[in-house]
Amino acid sequence: QQQVKQSPQSLIVQKGGISIINCAYENTAFDYFPWYQQFPGKGPALLIAIRPDVSEKKEGRFTISFNKSAKQFSLHIMDSQPGDSATYFCAASKKEYGNKLVFGAGTILRVKS
Amino acid sequence: EPEVTQTPSHQVTQMGQEVILRCVPISNHLYFYWYRQILGQKVEFLVSFYNNEISEKSEIFDDQFSVERPDGSNFTLKIRSTKLEDSAMYFCASTEPRGWAEAFFGQGTRLTVV
Repeated sequence: QQQVKQSPQSLIVQKGGISIINCAYENTAFDYFPWYQQFPGKGPALLIAIRPDVSEKKEGRFTISFNKSAKQFSLHIMDSQPGDSATYFCAASKKEYGNKLVFGAGTILRVKS
Repeated sequence: EPEVTQTPSHQVTQMGQEVILRCVPISNHLYFYWYRQILGQKVEFLVSFYNNEISEKSEIFDDQFSVERPDGSNFTLKIRSTKLEDSAMYFCASTEPRGWAEAFFGQGTRLTVV
């Protein structure tokens, strides 16, 4: 019940295309859903996050769509660029102080120029 | 920009040896974490630490693991007797003491047990 399932494992997108990564969770106690971006040799860095009181959040080219009833959320990267090539992790957590992040398995994105 | 720093970046150790991984969290953060990422797998929670004690630990965090905040700045993870399966990237993270706070991750320590 603590799992977060992420798909696809890897994704190749042409420059300028839309990258879409999907995640699903089971634990309805989760109420914070961040996406992390990780470049080789670096730690994960927060990209964008959403709380379940909204269905969509947009920051620049990055959008999270959230479907509370389906317990699913997704990351859309518009106008994908080669510099977006990285591993993307969805995660889930509970609001209380100090709560751990439960990560999805990760998606390796490659944007071809 | 504030950052979490980890040392060393890479540690090679013999099976059965003790290792200490070090982290300097962001100065005004009060919650500290260790996560592990085995090559090609997901990032997994190990332990969280607040107010000088463990607040939560996973089933991975067994008796061979321990954490400590020996002074006002460092946060350490000790593995007492390393096993081959402990080989992984270990990430330290820290957050402010509020709900929905962003977790800032260090760049990681790659531990190789031979």
